[in-house]
Amino acid sequence: SQQGEEDPQALSIQEGENATMNCSYKTSINNLQWYRQNSGRGLVHLILIRSNEREKHSGRLRVTLDTSKKSSSLLITASRAADTASYFCAALKTSYDKVIFGPGTSLSVIP
Amino acid sequence: DTGVSQDPRHKITKRGQNVTFRCDPISEHNRLYWYRQTLGQGPEFLTYFQNEAQLEKSRLLSDRFSAERPKGSFSTLEIQRTEQGDSAMYLCASSLGGYAQYFGPGTRLTVL
Repeated sequence: SQQGEEDPQALSIQEGENATMNCSYKTSINNLQWYRQNSGRGLVHLILIRSNEREKHSGRLRVTLDTSKKSSSLLITASRAADTASYFCAALKTSYDKVIFGPGTSLSVIP
Repeated sequence: DTGVSQDPRHKITKRGQNVTFRCDPISEHNRLYWYRQTLGQGPEFLTYFQNEAQLEKSRLLSDRFSAERPKGSFSTLEIQRTEQGDSAMYLCASSLGGYAQYFGPGTRLTVL
C-alpha cells in the first residue's frame, strides 16, 4: 500500500464555486479512493476509481485518474457550505491492500 | 442501523490506566481496520483483521496496544498503561475485501 499526497493542504472558496483537489502517488495502483471527513467525525467513502478508468462521476463529484502521471483529481461542482470538510485520497496497489491516508486537503466553503 | 458502530464515543482516563474500545463492523464485512487520528492529521493505520486473523500491525502499535477480533465479528482495541500521547481519536472501519472502507464515528480518548 502507499500513501497518497493531497494538494493543496488547504483551500477556501465561495459557495457556488468549484473546488479542485489533487492527489499524487508513486507506484502502480489497482484503485484510488477519495474520502471526506467532517470535523470530529469518521470518514465517509466518496468514490472509488479503478486503474483502468479515467473519469468517474457521482452527483456533484467528478474524479479523474491519470495513471501515466500517477495523479488523480477530485472536482466538487457548485460547492455548498456543507462541503466544508477534509478530503483524503488513498491509493491501493492491489484490491486487497490496506488503505493509508495522506494529510488531506482542508476545504472551507464560505457562504 | 447497519453501519459501523464504536463504543464508547468518548473516554477520559488517567495516565497509567487501561482502556478498551469496541468496534462492531458491518455484518457481512470480512475486513476490520483500526486507525488513530490526531488533530489536523490524516488517520494513521494501526492494524487490520481479515475475519479473525490479524494480518498486519503498524510499528506505531507499541506493546501496550493489543487488538482482537475473536469470532471474526466485533473487535476490541486495548491500551494498557495509557500515556498522554495516546490521546487521539481511534477510528474503526470495515470493508468487504479490499475495497471501500466504511468508518465508524470514532472513540475520542483523552488521557489526563
